[in-house]
Parts: sequence; C-alpha cells; structure tokens
Amino acid sequence: GAVVSQHPSWVICKSGTSVKIECRSLDFQATTMFWYRQFPKQSLMLMATSNEGSKATYEQGVEKDKFLINHASLTLSTLTVTSAHPEDSSFYICSARGRGGWNYEQFFGPGTRLTVL
Amino acid sequence: GENVEQHPSTLSVQEGDSAVIKCTYSDSASNYFPWYKQELGKRPQLIIDIRSNVGEKKDQRIAVTLNKTAKHFSLHITETQPEDSAVYFCALRGFQKLVFGTGTRLLVSP
Repeated sequence: GAVVSQHPSWVICKSGTSVKIECRSLDFQATTMFWYRQFPKQSLMLMATSNEGSKATYEQGVEKDKFLINHASLTLSTLTVTSAHPEDSSFYICSARGRGGWNYEQFFGPGTRLTVL
Repeated sequence: GENVEQHPSTLSVQEGDSAVIKCTYSDSASNYFPWYKQELGKRPQLIIDIRSNVGEKKDQRIAVTLNKTAKHFSLHITETQPEDSAVYFCALRGFQKLVFGTGTRLLVSP
C-alpha cells in the first residue's frame, strides 16, 4: 500500500505555544487529507478534511482558528495547534487518499503524540 | 452526522476460538466498510474491507459480512492467536468522510 509519513512522532510543549505537525504522502498524490484526534482508550475522531488547494472543512465542535490546516500541495498537509493547552494533549493522526485506483482506501500516518505541559 | 455503534467494547477469548465484532449504522448512503486493527501507540491498519455491492468477503482467518437491509456489518476472526490481541475499529464512508466505531479491545489468551 501507499506510505504516509508524519513528523514529529512526538512533541512536548509548554502551554500557550504553537505546534506544527506535518503529514506527507511519500509515493502517491493525496488529493484529500484527513486529520484525526484520538484520546486514550477512545476512537479516532475526525477533526477536518482538506482537499489540495482548498480550505479545510472542519467537523462540528472543532475550532478552525485553533487547529490550522494547510494542504498546499498534493503531498503535504500541516496541522498547527495554536496556543496549545493541556486539554489538547492527544494522539493526532493524519490520513490521505489519492485519486484513481485508491478511490476508497485511506492511508494513515504513524501519528504524533502531543503532550502540553 | 453518521453514527456507528460497535459491540462489544471488550472481548476476551481463548487461543483458537473465534471472535465476532458487530457494528450497526444509520446512514443508508454508506458504501464502504473497512475494519482496522490498532496496536497501542500505532496507526490503524486496514485488515479487511467490503463495499456495499458485496455481502461477504474473506481473507484467510478474517471475514466480514454486510447486511445493508439491516444496516449492520460484522468482523469474524477464526482460530484466534495471541498476536490478534489489539483494538479493532469498524468504519464506514458515505460521502467522503470515514467515520469510526467506538472500538473493541480483543484479548486472546494463550
């Protein structure tokens, strides 16, 4: 299957700072990228969907000014958590889907564990 | 939005037994139903998927059945092994979005 990378794999930051997470599709063009958040022992919750070159569509209850998503190219999407607070500590996972033969399957990144002190 | 209910939340079996996890949904427009296995701290891994025009699909010890009329789909694992222990998520997609079930923690005891 296709490969999606995510960087960093973990990050610890102080409350009030901003953190950027990168998601890259390494061997295919990701026309659509998804960002999920997963709290311990819970399911993956979709935060937003972004199509290359377009503004992201956020799920209900997700603050778009706090979680900035950029999908500037077909291989890169970034999630910036602005003014992070301890309640933002979570496992953030990106997912990408390409065009054509991969019309259905989404490929997941390895996740980024964010800890806000 | 779309809601997916998954049962049971925890399932403990003995090695060699079968395990069945069931999901129900409400949106009849859903057309793609994947199942994921997630180990602690890792990404979800697709283990099997089924599309709405198929009722059953099998891949070695894993099978998925879909009943579109009743709006439920199930994961069947036969001859379970300790390495099958993980959290399993069902998911579905209607229009573009992939929505996940609440997860089932499977424990396979040797």
